[in-house]
Amino acid sequence: GNSVTQMEGPVTLSEEAFLTINCTYTATGYPSLFWYVQYPGEGLQLLLKATKADDKGSNKGFEATYRKETTSFHLEKGSVQVSDSAVYFCALSDPGKAAGNKLTFGGGTRVLVKP
Amino acid sequence: NAGVMQNPRHLVRRRGQEARLRCSPVKGHSHVYWYRQLPEEGLKFMVYLQKENIIDESGMPKERFSAEFPKEGPSILRIQQVVRGDSAAYFCASSLDRNMNTEAFFGQGTRLTVV
Repeated sequence: GNSVTQMEGPVTLSEEAFLTINCTYTATGYPSLFWYVQYPGEGLQLLLKATKADDKGSNKGFEATYRKETTSFHLEKGSVQVSDSAVYFCALSDPGKAAGNKLTFGGGTRVLVKP
Repeated sequence: NAGVMQNPRHLVRRRGQEARLRCSPVKGHSHVYWYRQLPEEGLKFMVYLQKENIIDESGMPKERFSAEFPKEGPSILRIQQVVRGDSAAYFCASSLDRNMNTEAFFGQGTRLTVV
């Protein structure tokens, strides 16, 4: 079955530091890949996505590239802010025809940015 | 333009009681997904519904859990005879269609506590 593995947190950084969160996946077929962010007490918000190999998703200074050869979708940001403190989830959508937008999530990585 | 609305936000139930969680999708969305998030874990898929039909319930526990999405009104996730292990955050998501690239919008979740 499908699975997503992402690095465990918490990740603690200083403001303006470089952030990388590793994500690898296992899937049959060609899934779409997503990063969602969850702020404290809130639901999930889509951060970025990539729908095919070599696509780069980007938003709010975050980037991730769909690497089919390494089955990875690592999230990066060059200079984090305190407001980026949140839990980040890597996810894939099931490419099965009947699956709709059913998502398989990684375990989440908590990021804490200190001023 | 309201997003996905879930209520209640917090629900406390005693062991053996019933819990009913409601989800109103984004206006015009007919595809609804329920996920469960246990403490410090990622989200796990439970069920996928499309107006009046259950499309995929592969993540639903075999007993005590049921879901519906009637022609009129919100989607309901029902948990009968709750136990402590049901304590979790339950998230609903909706999408416009079943294309796996379509963004799924998440509600803020219902946090169920069983005492």
